[in-house]
Amino acid sequence: QLFQSGAEVKRPGASLKVSCKGSGFSFTTYALHWVRQAPGHSLEWMGWINAGNGNTQYSQKFQGRVTFTRDTPANTVSMDLRSLRFEDTAVYYCARESAGGRYHGMDVWGQGTTVTVSS
Amino acid sequence: SYEVTQPPSVSVSPGQTASIPCSGDKLGDEYVSWYQQRPGQSPMVVIYQNNKRPSGIPERFSGSKSGNTATLSISGTQSMDEADYYCQAWGGNIVIFGGGTKLTVL
Repeated sequence: QLFQSGAEVKRPGASLKVSCKGSGFSFTTYALHWVRQAPGHSLEWMGWINAGNGNTQYSQKFQGRVTFTRDTPANTVSMDLRSLRFEDTAVYYCARESAGGRYHGMDVWGQGTTVTVSS
Repeated sequence: SYEVTQPPSVSVSPGQTASIPCSGDKLGDEYVSWYQQRPGQSPMVVIYQNNKRPSGIPERFSGSKSGNTATLSISGTQSMDEADYYCQAWGGNIVIFGGGTKLTVL
């Protein structure tokens, strides 16, 4: 399972940190993806982090504004998003890439973290 | 990268087969996964590698691909299948999601 941190309300220009804790599996053998969903919109991929070696890949849209980190003893990955804008209001999900690899899909999802950017 | 396109909505009568297409210029070269998202819930993978079902997914869910179009089919559609469905593919090292299709079971 993946457990995410709680809902956040942020001002424009602020920074956000969402954490995602894995339970019941060997955390460091997986890649974890971050996906967000604005109200009434589709899923939007933000990037992934290899929980074992810390390698990351970011969507070009968020490059320079987002950072993924991992805390392996705590089985946790985190997503930091800076310079928040109103359009960053969304539900943020972490999702585990299947053990079978990237073409096997994301087989475990967190419950989602609702983030509201409001002045 | 590239885009993948889904119809915004599909309607089906209970017990009939629903077909949801997903098209993209390079989909012919990529594996496609499909996700179901019920209202207020996190997405769940229902098809991967174009046509494989994860354990626990009912047999009425199937996937296919022809050329640059992948299709999710749900046979014997039930009211519980009413949800948003998203196709997903890889474009190099990035993930691409379709815009989603709302399946309505009338």
